Amino acid sequence: DVKVTQSSRYLVKRTGEKVFLECVQDMDHENMFWYRQDPGLGLRLIYFSYDVKMKEKGDIPEGYSVSREKKERFSLILESASTNQTSMYLCASSLRASPYEQYFGPGTRLTVT
Amino acid sequence: LAKTTQPISMDSYEGQEVNITCSHNNIATNDYITWYQQFPSQGPRFIIQGYKTKVTNEVASLFIPADRKSSTLSLPRVSLSDTAVYYCLVGDSPNAGNMLTFGGGTRLMVKP
Repeated sequence: DVKVTQSSRYLVKRTGEKVFLECVQDMDHENMFWYRQDPGLGLRLIYFSYDVKMKEKGDIPEGYSVSREKKERFSLILESASTNQTSMYLCASSLRASPYEQYFGPGTRLTVT
Repeated sequence: LAKTTQPISMDSYEGQEVNITCSHNNIATNDYITWYQQFPSQGPRFIIQGYKTKVTNEVASLFIPADRKSSTLSLPRVSLSDTAVYYCLVGDSPNAGNMLTFGGGTRLMVKP
């Protein structure tokens, strides 16, 4: 059974903190994605990676960075958390041959105070 | 990237067939049409994908006319558990300049 796991279900951080969100997939997928979802704005792509150490900016990369050192793991980093980064963060993965058939993790609800 | 337009919301009753239509007038030759389902507090779940004509799996059917400018997701005999948001996406590959974009989706409410 396909599985994408995220390190935390809920997270509360203070403004200015450095925040790490981890995502692991066990399906040997080449592509991995980070989205945020906000009411009224739908899902927006932050970054994606199509291979180890490779990354591409999505629609809203400002304030975020990513790291992909191993194929199964994709990390999202908030360098200095701000209140407008309070959101639901969703990780997904897919095969290179089927980039639109993505498998999502359960999400991390991040609150920045 | 082809923009998609879907109804914001739909209501249905248990046991009915539900059809959700998505417009994508600027679909490109290489683009596929993909539908996702999302329940509250969960990540989206892939439902079905197609390129042309009709695709059917154990969950839904996808109808795509010859001009491919729209598509219809058909859910047979819905139940209360089908209450969710349904997203239509159109695209080929999420490389630079061709981002995978989820629109607002269609909020389906199934009533008893």
